[in-house]
Amino acid sequence: AQSVTQLGSHVSVSEGALVLLRCNYSSSVPPYLFWYVQYPNQGLQLLLKYTSAATLVKGINGFEAEFKKSETSFHLTKPSAHMSDAAEYFCAVTNYGGSQGNLIFGKGTKLSVKP
Amino acid sequence: DADVTQTPRNRITKTGKRIMLECSQTKGHDRMYWYRQDPGLGLRLIYYSFDVKDINKGEISDGYSVSRQAQAKFSLSLESAIPNQTALYFCATSDFYEQYFGPGTRLTVT
Repeated sequence: AQSVTQLGSHVSVSEGALVLLRCNYSSSVPPYLFWYVQYPNQGLQLLLKYTSAATLVKGINGFEAEFKKSETSFHLTKPSAHMSDAAEYFCAVTNYGGSQGNLIFGKGTKLSVKP
Repeated sequence: DADVTQTPRNRITKTGKRIMLECSQTKGHDRMYWYRQDPGLGLRLIYYSFDVKDINKGEISDGYSVSRQAQAKFSLSLESAIPNQTALYFCATSDFYEQYFGPGTRLTVT
């Protein structure tokens, strides 16, 4: 079975500071991994995805994530936080090699950005 | 126009009422999904469908049913709504690699 753990339900950073949101996964087969962002009162938007190509994945809005198999991690980073980054972020895993192809979501991390 | 639309966007209903949430997509994908989001719990899968004739239960299907009327349409029904079904509901569609989400329906059961 697959699972995702997001460390920290709330993360607060100052504007201009590094953003680091942690995601660890469990999967018995090679995973595909995703980060989604949800702005207040909106749906989910894909930030970036890892589909077994390059381990360092660049996404929209300056975010990137690195797939580390040895650590079973897929942490999301951004060098310099902006006020507009305040949102909730979800890590998700799937195994498209299996019969289901469903996303398993973490419980989310709410990012606050202080001026 | 949005690729995935959901109606209604907001709904307040009473305990015991039947309610249907509708989802349409213009992506041309075969796969469609229904999730619910609760604060602190992330998104949990209710039902999914890989084509018009294929319907599968997800993690939390009790109290829900679905209908896949066409490739582009996937409806979620609450046969007899209860207060703990108050949540934000998302429909999604996918190709092989990526899921595309609708804007969500906020449902309140009083």
